Amino acid sequence: SAVISQKPSRDICQRGTSLTIQCQVDSQVTMMFWYRQQPGQSLTLIATANQGSEATYESGFVIDKFPISRPNLTFSTLTVSNMSPEDSSIYLCSVEERGDLSYEQYFGPGTRLTVT
Amino acid sequence: KQEVTQIPAALSVPEGENLVLNCSFTDSAIYNLQWFRQDPGKGLTSLLLIQSSQREQTSGRLNASLDKSSGRSTLYIAASQPGDSATYLCAVRPRGAGSYQLTFGKGTKLSVIP
Repeated sequence: SAVISQKPSRDICQRGTSLTIQCQVDSQVTMMFWYRQQPGQSLTLIATANQGSEATYESGFVIDKFPISRPNLTFSTLTVSNMSPEDSSIYLCSVEERGDLSYEQYFGPGTRLTVT
Repeated sequence: KQEVTQIPAALSVPEGENLVLNCSFTDSAIYNLQWFRQDPGKGLTSLLLIQSSQREQTSGRLNASLDKSSGRSTLYIAASQPGDSATYLCAVRPRGAGSYQLTFGKGTKLSVIP
């Protein structure tokens, strides 16, 4: 299975600033995903990032607020822009791999963001 | 729209007990179902994946079953240990070309008491 790392693991940021989260995978993958997990809630997909194309955003998420880069098949970044306390969440990247029988998603360790 | 529900929201058991976590989903047109474990403030670890055509999967002390027609899955943990304490999430992947978005339940927070 893919091994995924994220930087930073956690951060405390001021309202109105931006933070860029990095996601690195140890193998080449086509599909990378960014999720948000708000306190006490489950995971919500922000966007899908394919290499060489614009990210596809889910309803309720926009590129101006969450710009994503996908420069190659092993790396992606998510920026949380103009942050407010409501952006305090765990942000997770994930990848999809084709196994023997099915597609399976694997997740990074997450970035815990607190906005003050 | 797919909805995933996990019951109970929290569970506390003494060490050594066998336990069952439940997951239900509203749309049976799924491609697969995954069970994950999440430790506090951490990412997700994939535990088991069940294809829509399968009935169950086993890994060590874990056994997951799937009844697609009734929209239910269970995760059975045998001989629970304090190290099993975590939140357990189930997620379904829809069927269909280009359908890859997982829909997650809110999880069951498990505490195993020594």
